[in-house]
Amino acid sequence: AQSVTQLGSHVSVSEGALVLLRCNYSSSVPPYLFWYVQYPNQGLQLLLKYTTGATLVKGINGFEAEFKKSETSFHLTKPSAHMSDAAEYFCAVVGNSGYSTLTFGKGTMLLVSP
Amino acid sequence: DAGITQSPRHKVTETGTPVTLRCHQTENHRYMYWYRQDPGHGLRLIHYSYGVKDTDKGEVSDGYSVSRSKTEDFLLTLESATSSQTSVYFCAISVDRDNSPLHFGNGTRLTVT
Repeated sequence: AQSVTQLGSHVSVSEGALVLLRCNYSSSVPPYLFWYVQYPNQGLQLLLKYTTGATLVKGINGFEAEFKKSETSFHLTKPSAHMSDAAEYFCAVVGNSGYSTLTFGKGTMLLVSP
Repeated sequence: DAGITQSPRHKVTETGTPVTLRCHQTENHRYMYWYRQDPGHGLRLIHYSYGVKDTDKGEVSDGYSVSRSKTEDFLLTLESATSSQTSVYFCAISVDRDNSPLHFGNGTRLTVT
C-alpha cells in the first residue's frame, strides 16, 4: 500500500523568494518518488524523480527535491521563485515491487506574486 | 506532448448516455493509463493497460470499462454516464510500470448534465 500527503493545497510566495512544497509518503516497499507540474489546461509534466542513488535530485526549471527516508519526505524546493513557476504541483509515489502503479497527492497550487 | 492525442478534448453529454474517450499514442509504449482529475482529489487511476487486451482496474474503476485492441489506442467507456463522472480525464503512457515517468495527454473535459 502507498499514499502521498501534500501539506497545503495553496502556497503563496513572492517573486525571488524560496519555494518549498511539502510531500510525505508512505510505502510498504522502497519507493520511487516523483514531482509533476501542471500548467492551466495542460497535462502533467515531470519535474524530477527519485529512484535510487543520490538522495538530492535536481530537476528542470531549477527545482530540486531531497529524499529523506527517516522522515518519509520528498519536499520540493527552488531557491528563487519566478512568475512562470505559478502552477499546480503533484507529488507521486510508487513502490518498487513491480506490481503497483503511481499514486498521486492531491496537489499544491503555487501562487507567485510580484 | 510525447505523441499522445486524446479525443475529444471537450464533451457535454446527458445522464444515462454512453460515452467513449480515446487515447492514441505514437510512442509504442507498453503501459497506458486513464486518470480522472477532480478538485481536492488530485489524480486517481481508473484503469490501466500493460499490453494489447491486458488491462487492470485502478482505484476508481466502478462505472468505467476500457479496451485496448492495438498498442497505440486505449479507449475509456462510460456505459451510462452519471453526473459524478463529470471530470477531466487524462491519458498517460509509460515504458515501465514503476520507475518510468508518465507522459500525459492534454486531457478531455467531460460534463455530464
